[in-house]
Amino acid sequence: EADIYQTPRYLVIGTGKKITLECSQTMGHDKMYWYQQDPGMELHLIHYSYGVNSTEKGDLSSESTVSRIRTEHFPLTLESARPSHTSQYLCASSEYKEGTYEQYFGPGTRLTVT
Amino acid sequence: LAKTTQPISMDSYEGQEVNITCSHNNIATNDYITWYQQFPSQGPRFIIQGYKTKVTNEVASLFIPADRKSSTLSLPRVSLSDTAVYYCLVVRYNQGGKLIFGQGTELSVKP
Repeated sequence: EADIYQTPRYLVIGTGKKITLECSQTMGHDKMYWYQQDPGMELHLIHYSYGVNSTEKGDLSSESTVSRIRTEHFPLTLESARPSHTSQYLCASSEYKEGTYEQYFGPGTRLTVT
Repeated sequence: LAKTTQPISMDSYEGQEVNITCSHNNIATNDYITWYQQFPSQGPRFIIQGYKTKVTNEVASLFIPADRKSSTLSLPRVSLSDTAVYYCLVVRYNQGGKLIFGQGTELSVKP
């Protein structure tokens, strides 16, 4: 069972607030990812990191930012939340093991911006 | 990365074998095929991955023909708990295992 955690699980916040979604993993994985998923839709990669001090933007443009100061921690920040940011945010980590690159996903944070 | 095409939805009954086919015509030599399962309000979970021929694990089998332009995920004797969305993805290892999700196949298993 993967050990990847996200907090909070649910967040309702007003427009203009700054928020940070937390993601941490205890598996020592170098690679970590953030996805955004609207209800009934596919996941979109918004950020990824291949290790400490490495961050890249994903395929879907996002106003969020990320940081990777420690291997186990990959927080996502929105400086000024807007209703268009309402979505589910999923964090994942991966490692190459026994011929397979397997991503482990956290439970997600469901964000609602009012 | 090669784009994948799979049915939007499928229906099945408990105890049946379910086969979900995915098309990936532009797959490259260093691409692998991987499948994930997602239940509502949860993150996806890895099911199986392969390069060619057949791969089997305790959950599913993956069949990949010689030309690798398609693949079939086979779920033996499905139960109600297999109701989920199944994603077929192409993964390129020199891009750090980055995943690009498509629409997925929504499988509904009925009693």
